[in-house]
Amino acid sequence: AQKVTQTQTSISVVEKTTVTMDCVYETRDSSYFLFWYKQTASGEIVFLIRQDSYKKENATVGHYSLNFQKPKSSIGLIITATQIEDSAVYFCAMREGWTGNTGKLIFGLGTTLQVQP
Amino acid sequence: GPKVLQIPSHQIIDMGQMVTLNCDPVSNHLYFYWYKQILGQQMEFLVNFYNGKVMEKSKLFKDQFSVERPDGSYFTLKIQPTALEDSAVYFCASSLRGGSNERLFFGHGTKLSVL
Repeated sequence: AQKVTQTQTSISVVEKTTVTMDCVYETRDSSYFLFWYKQTASGEIVFLIRQDSYKKENATVGHYSLNFQKPKSSIGLIITATQIEDSAVYFCAMREGWTGNTGKLIFGLGTTLQVQP
Repeated sequence: GPKVLQIPSHQIIDMGQMVTLNCDPVSNHLYFYWYKQILGQQMEFLVNFYNGKVMEKSKLFKDQFSVERPDGSYFTLKIQPTALEDSAVYFCASSLRGGSNERLFFGHGTKLSVL
């Protein structure tokens, strides 16, 4: 069965520090894609970063990076030098297959990050 | 960046009535999606739409649900008749391509309250 699990409900950090958010997934597919999205207080959901299952190197975009541990089915999101505006709900999501998949994105419950001054 | 607009942001209706949720996707996008999020639960896939057709739908996409995008206008989700369990936030999303590696652009959501 396809499943994405985020066990951390909320995290609070002081700005300029580094935070890691956990995510584990379940899939029987050999090819899949893992995403992190952010939902701001206004409700906007924004794509942050993606990891392709066949790539060994961890994805990095700006101050976001991923800790992809395939044997553990784990895809952690690391935010370095956090800022107040990073406060949001962070969703981990998975999509299976390649061209055959028609769009089903499986989401985790989300982790609320609060960055304090 | 590109925006997906959803209208209205909040809709309150009585159980049994019909409701239409509107989505204005990113202008050159070809794939459209609806997701449903009940408070405190995961956002769940409802349906995917491409080239005028439903490509895939989940078990949450009941017979009372329908989607269309007439003549490139709004991508709509219609629920007729509504039930109490339809109360949720509905998110529309779009993407340029349909590959599984493709990022989705989401709207702000429409909160539907069925009384």
